[in-house]
Amino acid sequence: EAEVAQSPRYKITEKSQAVAFWCDPISGHATLYWYRQILGQGPELLVQFQDESVVDDSQLPKDRFSAERLKGVDSTLKIQPAELGDSAMYLCASSSNLGTGELFFGEGSRLTVL
Amino acid sequence: KNEVEQSPQNLTAQEGEFITINCSYSVGISALHWLQQHPGGGIVSLFMLSSGKKKHGRLIATINIQEKHSSLHITASHPRDSAVYICAVEFGNQFYFGTGTSLTVIP
Repeated sequence: EAEVAQSPRYKITEKSQAVAFWCDPISGHATLYWYRQILGQGPELLVQFQDESVVDDSQLPKDRFSAERLKGVDSTLKIQPAELGDSAMYLCASSSNLGTGELFFGEGSRLTVL
Repeated sequence: KNEVEQSPQNLTAQEGEFITINCSYSVGISALHWLQQHPGGGIVSLFMLSSGKKKHGRLIATINIQEKHSSLHITASHPRDSAVYICAVEFGNQFYFGTGTSLTVIP
């Protein structure tokens, strides 16, 4: 069964270090989302791509976070420098349509910043 | 922005009990999704609804568009149903998520 792949599953880093997460969506899915989820809360959108274009990055802290999807397939989310408050689960999801499409999530990347 | 509220926040049930989780939202939507998240993080889509009712095994999801309300029902609950259940609504071209309902089913 097709799935959204994410890596790494777990990352422990010290503050001020750089961190990168990778996501490979389900083949053919044009829409890709990066979410951040803090324990006990629902996912919050960081960035949404339609193919290689950014649709919404209004909640992305652009001073330290960046995201790209150069060829409209896989995507990378980077944090530099990491801060203690960045500790969270980073979830990637993809959908075949922009709106009214089922949402498929990866297993997530759990980040701990020490 | 669409406000999504779920209730209850936490729920403990005995195995076999009928369970209901509720979701309400503030603005008209194109679809509502029920998601299941197990410890460890992975999220699985259970239902996508735009009207009426859907059933899959012991799970039933209903939506009332006029009242902006949806319910997820679990019949004959089982310990393996223990998870966080999240309601998400599609509004515009974005998804908005509730904070989740943590369900524990005790044998």
